[in-house]
Amino acid sequence: SQTIHQWPATLVQPVGSPLSLECTVEGTSNPNLYWYRQAAGRGLQLLFYSVGIGQISSEVPQNLSASRPQDRQFILSSKKLLLSDSGFYLCAWSSVGLRNNQPQHFGDGTRLSIL
Amino acid sequence: SQQGEEDPQALSIQEGENATMNCSYKTSINNLQWYRQNSGRGLVHLILIRSNEREKHSGRLRVTLDTSKKSSSLLITASRAADTASYFCATDAPGAQKLVFGQGTRLTINP
Repeated sequence: SQTIHQWPATLVQPVGSPLSLECTVEGTSNPNLYWYRQAAGRGLQLLFYSVGIGQISSEVPQNLSASRPQDRQFILSSKKLLLSDSGFYLCAWSSVGLRNNQPQHFGDGTRLSIL
Repeated sequence: SQQGEEDPQALSIQEGENATMNCSYKTSINNLQWYRQNSGRGLVHLILIRSNEREKHSGRLRVTLDTSKKSSSLLITASRAADTASYFCATDAPGAQKLVFGQGTRLTINP
């Protein structure tokens, strides 16, 4: 069966420090991968998605970046964190399907607090 | 802008009652999905309804889709305390491998 791992679960970082969040998927190949951010009590904001190795689509201009160095690995990074980067970060995967009909499967998220 | 918007934003009912949440969207879709999120956790996919379907059932869940009104509803029958969570609708964006999520409905089931 497929599983998705996301770490760390919680992270406290000072303003201006770098960031690296990692997400890996097991049990499937060539998944679509997604990074979302969720503010408290709000919906999900899509940050990046990837349909293949090295292919990254950015949804929102910001100081974050994403990379996909391997088929089932998706990394969210920042060189210098801002206070506004605080939030709950979720990674998700889906199978590739016709007409985008595939459900997404989520990790348990990383709660990032910037001090 | 958000594609899906849930209504109400929050709903509190007694255990055993039915809970109905609504979702409206703006553009044409291929499918609409409902997800559940327990506090501090990731989202869990509940049900997917395609644009050519009008109703779908899964256990105590019933989803309807009205493409003429660009709206969907999620009904949870015989609610349980464990159904307490936030529920989100999500629609696919035409031509892209991604979903657009609404702001969610926070459902509280009181024992």
